[in-house]
Amino acid sequence: NAGVTQTPKFRILKIGQSMTLQCAQDMNHNYMYWYRQDPGMGLKLIYYSVGAGITDKGEVPNGYNVSRSTTEDFPLRLELAAPSQTSVYFCASSYPGATYNEQFFGPGTRLTVL
Amino acid sequence: AQRVTQPEKLLSVFKGAPVELKCNYSYSGSPELFWYVQYSRQRLQLLLRHISRESIKGFTADLNKGETSFHLKKPFAQEEDSAMYYCALLYGNNRLAFGKGNQVVVIP
Repeated sequence: NAGVTQTPKFRILKIGQSMTLQCAQDMNHNYMYWYRQDPGMGLKLIYYSVGAGITDKGEVPNGYNVSRSTTEDFPLRLELAAPSQTSVYFCASSYPGATYNEQFFGPGTRLTVL
Repeated sequence: AQRVTQPEKLLSVFKGAPVELKCNYSYSGSPELFWYVQYSRQRLQLLLRHISRESIKGFTADLNKGETSFHLKKPFAQEEDSAMYYCALLYGNNRLAFGKGNQVVVIP
C-alpha cells in the first residue's frame, strides 16, 4: 500500500492564480482531512470529509474548496491564491472505529505564493 | 472549544539527559490525546496514544485529567529523538486539534 499520497511536492504560484492539490489514499479510509502547517503554528484543519459526497469546513476554510467524489480522492482547490496561503499542506485519512483512531498523513505539499 | 497548548517551541537536550515535552489541553468532552512526531524528511506519524498506555521508543505519556495535561517523557534522550513533536486532541467527527509543536534537538 502506498498509504496517503500527495501531488505536487512543491509549487510556486503567482497571486491570483488557482491550483488543485491532489490527495489520494488506498487504505479504504472513509475519513479524510486537509491541514495547513505554518511555521511555529502547528497544523490547522482546513476541510474534512466523512465519506464520498460529504465535506465540511474546518478551522481555516476561507480561500479553499474541496470535493469528495470517491473514497480514495480528496482534492483541495485554491482559488485566487494569496501570499497568506503560503504554507505546507498535509492530507490525512483515518478509519474511525479502528484501533485508536489514528490519522495517517501524506508527505505534504509546499506551496509558495508570490 | 478545544485547544492544545505546547509552551516551549525549541528544546535542546544532551544525549542521555531526560526529555519532557509539556502539553495541556482544554476540552469539554472526554479527552482522547495523542503525540505525533515528524522526523527530518519524513511524514508526520503517530508516536503515542493515551488510551493504549504504551511505551514507544522509550517515550511515555500519562493523561492527567485533573491538571488537563498529557506530558511526553523519556528518561534518556537519544540522537534519533531529534524531531518535531505535536500533541493532539481528538474531537467531533474524528478531527484533531494540534498544538504548535516542539522542536527537539538532541546534542551528541
